Amino acid sequence: AQKVTQAQTEISVVEKEDVTLDCVYETRDTTYYLFWYKQPPSGELVFLIRRNSFDEQNEISGRYSWNFQKSTSSFNFTITASQVVDSAVYFCALGRNRDDKIIFGKGTRLHILP
Amino acid sequence: GAVVSQHPSRVICKSGTSVKIECRSLDFQATTMFWYRQFPKQSLMLMATSNEGSKATYEQGVEKDKFLINHASLTLSTLTVTSAHPEDSSFYICSASTVPGNYGYTFGSGTRLTVV
Repeated sequence: AQKVTQAQTEISVVEKEDVTLDCVYETRDTTYYLFWYKQPPSGELVFLIRRNSFDEQNEISGRYSWNFQKSTSSFNFTITASQVVDSAVYFCALGRNRDDKIIFGKGTRLHILP
Repeated sequence: GAVVSQHPSRVICKSGTSVKIECRSLDFQATTMFWYRQFPKQSLMLMATSNEGSKATYEQGVEKDKFLINHASLTLSTLTVTSAHPEDSSFYICSASTVPGNYGYTFGSGTRLTVV
């Protein structure tokens, strides 16, 4: 079965704090993809990162960083020095290589308080 | 970069009428398009996968006669919600891939459908 679990439903932090969003996935595929998306209140889905199952290197992009650990089936997302504009719902997702379907987690609603 | 344009962004329709939502790839050819539905404060659920020139593949539990998908060209896919009911009110969003395996990058801006 393919599944993405985002255990944190809602998180609130004060601006400038670091925050980590957790993502745990389940799959029997050996080749798969992992994604993170941001969905601001306006609703559009903003692509943040795509990772394939063979690339476990951590990624840093500005204030964003991702930690992919196959041993624990986790793909966590950290925002450093959070800003109010980071407030949104963040989705972790799992993509299947064989048919390109993407399965989304339930999302984590992040509130950055000024 | 690849851009997907989705229209309309918002639509209100009367119960029993049909609504068409368009998803266009503006600067690339989309071999495959995906349609998702998102109820308020919930996750995105894949409804169907459409490949240009062939019938769409629907996910389990999605009524293909109610949600008609047409992918007649490499730049346009449409989703028609037929005989809409209030329970069809939702956020519909499309995604497109340029070539097999190159997916997940590009989503439309979504359509908020309200059926009254």
